[in-house]
Amino acid sequence: EPEVTQTPSHQVTQMGQEVILRCVPISNHLYFYWYRQILGQKVEFLVSFYNNEISEKSEIFDDQFSVERPDGSNFTLKIRSTKLEDSAMYFCASLTTKQGYEQYFGPGTRLTVT
Amino acid sequence: QKEVEQNSGPLSVPEGAIASLNCTYSDRGSQSFFWYRQYSGKSPELIMSIYSNGDKEDGRFTAQLNKASQYVSLLIRDSQPSDSATYLCAVPNTGANSKLTFGKGITLSVRP
Repeated sequence: EPEVTQTPSHQVTQMGQEVILRCVPISNHLYFYWYRQILGQKVEFLVSFYNNEISEKSEIFDDQFSVERPDGSNFTLKIRSTKLEDSAMYFCASLTTKQGYEQYFGPGTRLTVT
Repeated sequence: QKEVEQNSGPLSVPEGAIASLNCTYSDRGSQSFFWYRQYSGKSPELIMSIYSNGDKEDGRFTAQLNKASQYVSLLIRDSQPSDSATYLCAVPNTGANSKLTFGKGITLSVRP
């Protein structure tokens, strides 16, 4: 069964550094999302992407964040200058429109900013 | 901003019992509802979706939707220790392909 994959599984970075989190959505899915979950808190939406552009973004998704689909398979989230409060699990999800608009999540990247 | 409330929990049930997990949502116009299971340190895993009033069964799981009461629940029959996890209720914000708003989750513990 196709799955969303994410790399790396764990990223440790110093405050102020740039990080790129990578995702390969399920083939033939057309809508892509990034969510994050700070330890002990709710899963919260960051951004959605469709047809090579951002379709929706949250207040969290400020100028420090960007997303890109550089080729036909990868979907990336870049944080330009990480802050301590960016430490969280970051989940990529993709959506199928063939089975009731269900979003499937990747395994996540644990980002630790020191 | 839609709100999704999961105020009960944590929940502890003995193995073999029925676990009942509840969720309420704020937007009367919501059409799609999802239950995700999240093991500690792992990602949300979709286990049930429901779109119409009534019950939807899938194996040991039954989702129940009552749009008039803005209430969706998940029943787990014959609970197993492997069902011990946090169960997240999620509702799309506007259109069916829009962002999901998650509840805080209900942590279920199944005692052997």
